[in-house]
Amino acid sequence: DTEVTQTPKHLVMGMTNKKSLKCEQHMGHRAMYWYKQKAKKPPELMFVYSYEKLSINESVPSRFSPECPNSSLLNLHLHALQPEDSALYLCASSPPTGIPYGYTFGSGTRLTVV
Amino acid sequence: AQKVTQAQTEISVVEKEDVTLDCVYETRDTTYYLFWYKQPPSGELVFLIRRNSFDEQNEISGRYSWNFQKSTSSFNFTITASQVVDSAVYFCALSEPPSGGGADGLTFGKGTHLIIQP
Repeated sequence: DTEVTQTPKHLVMGMTNKKSLKCEQHMGHRAMYWYKQKAKKPPELMFVYSYEKLSINESVPSRFSPECPNSSLLNLHLHALQPEDSALYLCASSPPTGIPYGYTFGSGTRLTVV
Repeated sequence: AQKVTQAQTEISVVEKEDVTLDCVYETRDTTYYLFWYKQPPSGELVFLIRRNSFDEQNEISGRYSWNFQKSTSSFNFTITASQVVDSAVYFCALSEPPSGGGADGLTFGKGTHLIIQP
């Protein structure tokens, strides 16, 4: 299995809703990432987990809450989002340092906040 | 601080023409990785190539070729005999793995929108 699987592919939520994005990989990668991509912009790093511990938080608002329950799974919990949070959310994973270095991306979740 | 510059916002060429996408990077690290990704309208990021800072060999893969020059901090991408299916946004990206291990995310350039007209 050489894929990163993200669910759902599309999500529409209201500003008072609570929802979660899910990301899964079974490649033995020990680093996982969340990126946010607005239309016509590059992906921007949000969070990095290394060995299931949060190692980088790029000053993301607390309405986004990441969780890494195990080495294969990464969640992004969403609460009280704003319309400007509408974007493509991409998950990625990478192997431990020293192994051929690279990132595998999922196909993303297109989020619309109404 | 790391930075990636893709000065070409949009390029439009006619099919079968050759096209080069420019990428210039800034980093203070001696160990870093450079990447090119393709993003079609469907949204997924498709990995094209990875280069580490110690390997300046140019690479060719079919119609694609990459020119890595540390002296000018550039990592340019050329498509030979372009095809309509090459139409997409192309991102150049940089990563600086922490020396003590751990993970580092990618810093992306702003992307170049490549349009191949039939």
